[in-house]
Amino acid sequence: DARVTQTPRHKVTEMGQEVTMRCQPILGHNTVFWYRQTMMQGLELLAYFRNRAPLDDSGMPKDRFSAEMPDATLATLKIQPSEPRDSAVYFCASGLVNRETQYFGPGTRLLVL
Amino acid sequence: QKEVEQDPGPLSVPEGAIVSLNCTYSNSAFQYFMWYRQYSRKGPELLMYTYSSGNKEDGRFTAQVDKSSKYISLFIRDSQPSDSATYLCAMSAGSNYQLIWGAGTKLIIKP
Repeated sequence: DARVTQTPRHKVTEMGQEVTMRCQPILGHNTVFWYRQTMMQGLELLAYFRNRAPLDDSGMPKDRFSAEMPDATLATLKIQPSEPRDSAVYFCASGLVNRETQYFGPGTRLLVL
Repeated sequence: QKEVEQDPGPLSVPEGAIVSLNCTYSNSAFQYFMWYRQYSRKGPELLMYTYSSGNKEDGRFTAQVDKSSKYISLFIRDSQPSDSATYLCAMSAGSNYQLIWGAGTKLIIKP
C-alpha cells in the first residue's frame, strides 16, 4: 500500500530554533507539494516541485522557509528561525504530472513556543 | 472575497440521512473539481474527481458540477457515522495551475 510518509509526526520547539521536516513521496510520483494547514487559513500551498525542480514557492515566506528535494525519494522543508506563528500542521503531498490528484501524508504537527 | 467559498459548518445530521455539501467559486476558468475527505488528525484523501460539468457517482457518493452557476456539490446517501470528517473542495483551471481549496465543511453523522 503505497503512501506518503512524513517525519517527524510531532515537533515541539522553542522560538528561534531550526525545524526540519521530511517527506518521502510515493515511488514513481514526480510532483511534490508542501502545504500548511491552520484553523484560520485552511490549507495553504507553500511549495511545489516537479521532477525535483521547484516550480512554485510563492506561498512560502522566503526569509525563514526553504524547501528542497535532494533526491526523488526525499523532500525537506526547513524553518529557520522558527516563530510561534509557524505553529500549524504541515502536509506533504505527491502526485503525477497533473496537479489535480494529490496524495497526502499524515502531516507534521508543529508547535513553536 | 475568496475564489472558493465553502461553509465551514459544522453540519450535523442523523445516520441514514442524505447529506449535501457545497462550494461556490468565482473563476470561470476552473475545469477540474475535487472533493477530499479529511479525518481528524489525518491528511486529506481524494474522494471524488470531476472534469468539467456533470455528475459522477461512486457508491454512496455523487459529485455534481454546475459550471453555469459556478457551484459544485457532494451528496452522500445513507450517511454513516464513519462519514464524519471534514470535506474539502478543491479546483483548478488545469495541470499548470494551482489547486484552489475551500475552507472545508465539518460533517458530523449522529448514530
